[in-house]
Amino acid sequence: DTGVSQDPRHKITKRGQNVTFRCDPISEHNRLYWYRQTLGQGPEFLTYFQNEAQLEKSRLLSDRFSAERPKGSFSTLEIQRTEQGDSAMYLCASSRLGDAQETQYFGPGTRLLVL
Amino acid sequence: LAKTTQPISMDSYEGQEVNITCSHNNIATNDYITWYQQFPSQGPRFIIQGYKTKVTNEVASLFIPADRKSSTLSLPRVSLSDTAVYYCLVGPAEGYNKLIFGAGTRLAVHP
Repeated sequence: DTGVSQDPRHKITKRGQNVTFRCDPISEHNRLYWYRQTLGQGPEFLTYFQNEAQLEKSRLLSDRFSAERPKGSFSTLEIQRTEQGDSAMYLCASSRLGDAQETQYFGPGTRLLVL
Repeated sequence: LAKTTQPISMDSYEGQEVNITCSHNNIATNDYITWYQQFPSQGPRFIIQGYKTKVTNEVASLFIPADRKSSTLSLPRVSLSDTAVYYCLVGPAEGYNKLIFGAGTRLAVHP
């Protein structure tokens, strides 16, 4: 169990560019979540996968955002035409369906800065 | 999901016991209370979870009164490394659960 990993850890981009983040959950964790966190606030839910199926998306996830989990393992979060308001920490978490107390384990996050 | 209220910030000194109280007046029957810890530039880390009475692990204790409308996270003998943001959340422990975080409590431990 190596924990949830995210790549890259930091990303600086110019407004209007596309960015993609990757999350590798803990192996055998079939639930995967994306959250966004801005400075001084707690994380906010973006979207949720069970295996490869995206089962819920927050209204925070505008049309410029897309997330995938093609084989039910790693996941990617893409932001198209980035805006300065997209600057935040993007967190990924995973959990295992069926655990008695299903704890979400978070990765270290990807910090995005849009100039 | 039930909303939680906790102090914005707290200060303590090394070696002291710290108690952070969280209010959750609208907690549902099947909701558990979970606490996460977050250091700067890191993701939240699960600390402890409970349903009623008292739960203790190697890191903290969680006290939950009979009415479950509040809970208290107790950190014994804090050190500088316990300086972090602590989040109280309520929600079902089993099944899909999108976590709803508040702003948390910023704990500063001083030498």
